[in-house]
Amino acid sequence: GEDVEQSLFLSVREGDSSVINCTYTDSSSTYLYWYKQEPGAGLQLLTYIFSNMDMKQDQRLTVLLNKKDKHLSLRIADTQTGDSAIYFCAEVRNQGGKLIFGQGTELSVKP
Amino acid sequence: DTGVSQNPRHKITKRGQNVTFRCDPISEHNRLYWYRQTLGQGPEFLTYFQNEAQLEKSRLLSDRFSAERPKGSFSTLEIQRTEQGDSAMYLCATERVADTQYFGPGTRLTVL
Repeated sequence: GEDVEQSLFLSVREGDSSVINCTYTDSSSTYLYWYKQEPGAGLQLLTYIFSNMDMKQDQRLTVLLNKKDKHLSLRIADTQTGDSAIYFCAEVRNQGGKLIFGQGTELSVKP
Repeated sequence: DTGVSQNPRHKITKRGQNVTFRCDPISEHNRLYWYRQTLGQGPEFLTYFQNEAQLEKSRLLSDRFSAERPKGSFSTLEIQRTEQGDSAMYLCATERVADTQYFGPGTRLTVL
């Protein structure tokens, strides 16, 4: 998606925290999402944040939203080898509308 | 398993042939979306339905592509006269209006 950008790769050691970053361009975005995709599989919804929030925590996952800078991040605490996958951020500009995805960040977790 | 199913999971076809994919949504979800994902890229929106009405189509959806959702439940995506550039993963997602989208496992199309 040309309007949503992510770094392509991230490598961490098992047990460390991972931080995956995303920038978007449309200030009218209402919801921002994080999806996980394992090889050959569909997309699994991890979490989402509404645009009037700046933080959301869900177990090992923390989402931070800086609306002024249009920056979204996903922090995974205590990263495990099973977290190795591609992570996509996505925005929705109209309520219930189409998702605009970034290119995805490939997370590699080394034991 | 999100509850969204897609068939077939894999399709290999020769250039010029027609192919059809099917998506079965979660039963109470009245919106259904089709996306296409090529290698190394994020999914790109193709089209979506609210019940049986097709409300938006992307510029990516050429005349060779057609989608239907005749009774507001399952949907089909047909590609006529396939080209090698059509090789991709075709993903279906469904939602209740103004809720989150849940994705199926996808259909991987290979055009030889």
